Amino acid sequence: NAGVTQTPKFQVLKTGQSMTLQCAQDMNHNSMYWYRQDPGMGLRLIYYSASEGTTDKGEVPNGYNVSRLNKREFSLRLESAAPSQTSVYFCASSEGWNQPQHFGDGTRLSIL
Amino acid sequence: GENVEQHPSTLSVQEGDSAVIKCTYSDSASNYFPWYKQELGKRPQLIIDIRSNVGEKKDQRIAVTLNKTAKHFSLHITETQPEDSAVYFCAAQYPGNKLTFGGGTRVLVKP
Repeated sequence: NAGVTQTPKFQVLKTGQSMTLQCAQDMNHNSMYWYRQDPGMGLRLIYYSASEGTTDKGEVPNGYNVSRLNKREFSLRLESAAPSQTSVYFCASSEGWNQPQHFGDGTRLSIL
Repeated sequence: GENVEQHPSTLSVQEGDSAVIKCTYSDSASNYFPWYKQELGKRPQLIIDIRSNVGEKKDQRIAVTLNKTAKHFSLHITETQPEDSAVYFCAAQYPGNKLTFGGGTRVLVKP
């Protein structure tokens, strides 16, 4: 039982490049989330999917898009990467809304 | 929306002493309050949570208390050990809204 799996673990991009961060959970959870964590700071919600087939914006959605591919997978896409998007990205999932969230190991993304 | 304030931002304690972290929230409708521990370079891990129908919850050396009237909740760690050194985040959530995190407390347990 792997929990929440994120790929890749590390990535370096050039400004303007695009990429997709992958997240998959094997806990049969309904809700999934993408957060970013900047150095020395807390977690800020980028996008979330309360249930399969739905996605909504969080606090900091600009520059990102998401896809809830199926119940297991929730991807985050940077269409045109900017240095301000250098951060650690965490995916999380929960059984439902207002339930404990379980985090993946994160993707460390640097944009030059 | 919800706003969560967390204090202190850093906390240094001697091994064996207790550590207390306090959080205040703004929305009286919030009913779910988890605490996460994040070691350096690792993912946040849920260590304990409490719902608004409960005033206190314990799990071995950690406990959380909730004061709904004052809109604050606290994490208590007793008999601290070096492995308790980490950043701790509180959070609050009300039905239909996202989980809002506090800014974090860096705890250092000195041997």
